[in-house]
Amino acid sequence: QKEVEQDPGPLSVPEGAIVSLNCTYSNSAFQYFMWYRQYSRKGPELLMYTYSSGNKEDGRFTAQVDKSSKYISLFIRDSQPSDSATYLCAMSLYPIYNQGGKLIFGQGTELSVKP
Amino acid sequence: DGGITQSPKYLFRKEGQNVTLSCEQNLNHDAMYWYRQDPGQGLRLIYYSQIVNDFQKGDIAEGYSVSREKKESFPLTVTSAQKNPTAFYLCASSGQWNTEAFFGQGTRLTVV
Repeated sequence: QKEVEQDPGPLSVPEGAIVSLNCTYSNSAFQYFMWYRQYSRKGPELLMYTYSSGNKEDGRFTAQVDKSSKYISLFIRDSQPSDSATYLCAMSLYPIYNQGGKLIFGQGTELSVKP
Repeated sequence: DGGITQSPKYLFRKEGQNVTLSCEQNLNHDAMYWYRQDPGQGLRLIYYSQIVNDFQKGDIAEGYSVSREKKESFPLTVTSAQKNPTAFYLCASSGQWNTEAFFGQGTRLTVV
């Protein structure tokens, strides 16, 4: 069993839809949770960062962490064609600098938003 | 502009050859990392370095080598011992108090 599981999709939605992206994990010690967005043939860029449980909102994006269920989500409201990309969840036990870059990534979900 | 520069963007390797991927950052970050990305898989850590002249193996270091002679530079050599080198390689860096990694634009390596 992988430490982090993410539905690879692809996921196709119409413009304006609410998108829900999810990851489950097995290690209850994870404390730092991230969502990266990766456009085709580009490097990932950080979208959201959350420490421990709770919600975090940034514009059209909301990240949720439920540590009791070992489940994290990213919601995209009013989705746009420019949101079409692969979304990667990542998590770690400690801040990245303290543990040698040991981010554990999900497989990534490919999202397509149709005009 | 501050950032991480990877070169080349595309690289072709013949069987039995060693190739070196370049990674340079001007963010004054102490830590640098190399990840490998394959279709349908997440990123996997190859090597990391938290300080000049020191580096550590990640989860999939076999067939790879690195050096860290300068703070700004962390080149990755893919040796002939790496049996399945075709992949997308990503370099990243982070500062001492960062909580996330910043990535370069990647190098796509293909064995021909």
